[in-house]
Amino acid sequence: QKEVEQDPGPLSVPEGAIVSLNCTYSNSAFQYFMWYRQYSRKGPELLMYTYSSGNKEDGRFTAQVDKSSKYISLFIRDSQPSDSATYLCAAGGTSYGKLTFGQGTILTVHP
Amino acid sequence: NAGVTQTPKFQVLKTGQSMTLQCAQDMNHNSMYWYRQDPGMGLRLIYYSASEGTTDKGEVPNGYNVSRLNKREFSLRLESAAPSQTSVYFCLIAGVLYNEQFFGPGTRLTVL
Repeated sequence: QKEVEQDPGPLSVPEGAIVSLNCTYSNSAFQYFMWYRQYSRKGPELLMYTYSSGNKEDGRFTAQVDKSSKYISLFIRDSQPSDSATYLCAAGGTSYGKLTFGQGTILTVHP
Repeated sequence: NAGVTQTPKFQVLKTGQSMTLQCAQDMNHNSMYWYRQDPGMGLRLIYYSASEGTTDKGEVPNGYNVSRLNKREFSLRLESAAPSQTSVYFCLIAGVLYNEQFFGPGTRLTVL
């Protein structure tokens, strides 16, 4: 079993929908949690990060971490076609670049 | 991917050939990482260098070697390429803050 599990989808939604992306993890030592967006044939780019449990909001994006259930979520409000990409969750400890990634979820937002 | 360069962008090798992937940064961050990305597997850490002069193994180091040439450059070497090393390789640069993480554009490697 991978330490970070993510449903690969694919997920297809209409423009304007609320998107919910989810991951679970098994390693209690993970302290911070990241979401990356990756467009086709590009490198991942950091979208959101959260330290420990709680919520973090940035524009249309909200990241949630529930350490008691080991659950990581990303919500996208008012989704746009430009949000179509692969979304990767990741978790790590004190070494910021030493991360364990989920498999990635392919999201398509159609007009 | 500004500030992180990877060369080459594409490479096709035959089994048993060797090659070196290069990563360079101009952001003056200490930590550099090599990941590989395979369908259904996500990104997996191969090797990393927390600072100039140090390197450590990640999750999947077998078949690879690394060199931290200086603070700017971190190379990944395949001594004898195998088809299982067909993948997309990404370099990650990390600073001292959680949001200081930058991936390079990637190198697409095919081993025949």
